Amino acid sequence: SQTIHQWPATLVQPVGSPLSLECTVEGTSNPNLYWYRQAAGRGLQLLFYSVGIGQISSEVPQNLSASRPQDRQFILSSKKLLLSDSGFYLCAWSGFYYGYTFGSGTRLTVV
Amino acid sequence: AQSVTQPDIHITVSEGASLELRCNYSYGATPYLFWYVQSPGQGLQLLLKYFSGDTLVQGIKGFEAEFKRSQSSFNLRKPSVHWSDAAEYFCAVSGGSNYKLTFGKGTLLTVNP
Repeated sequence: SQTIHQWPATLVQPVGSPLSLECTVEGTSNPNLYWYRQAAGRGLQLLFYSVGIGQISSEVPQNLSASRPQDRQFILSSKKLLLSDSGFYLCAWSGFYYGYTFGSGTRLTVV
Repeated sequence: AQSVTQPDIHITVSEGASLELRCNYSYGATPYLFWYVQSPGQGLQLLLKYFSGDTLVQGIKGFEAEFKRSQSSFNLRKPSVHWSDAAEYFCAVSGGSNYKLTFGKGTLLTVNP
């Protein structure tokens, strides 16, 4: 069966520090991968999606970037965090007719 | 562009009462529709999905949803709510070759004993 792993679960980082959140998928090949951010009262916003290795599409201009170095690995990064980067970050994967499966999320607090 | 509207931000029901959460979508072709549930601090769990075929879809935890193309709706229902159903519920729509999923802003469900 397919599983998705996302870590860390909680992260507190100072303003200006770098960020790296990792997401891996098991049990499937060539999944579509996604990073979402959930801010309080604002629903889920799609940040990036990837349909293959090295293929990244950005949905909104921001301080973050994403990379897909391997088929089942998706990384969310920032060189310098801003206070506005705080939120709950969710990784997801999808395959045709599978719908979308989400990781357990990372709570990022920038202080 | 695809979009989802969940008109109710917060709903309170009594345990054992019936539940209907509303969802309206906008998409130019036949959509793929989803309902997810999220408990505090947790990820999203898929309740049910509609791709094609029977417009009444059964999901987990006793939930069902009905796709009504004429009303662009995909409302979620449950005949008898349990206290453990208290959570936030998200409706979502997808379409196109990249399968991007667009969410509504969610409905928070409170269940009174």
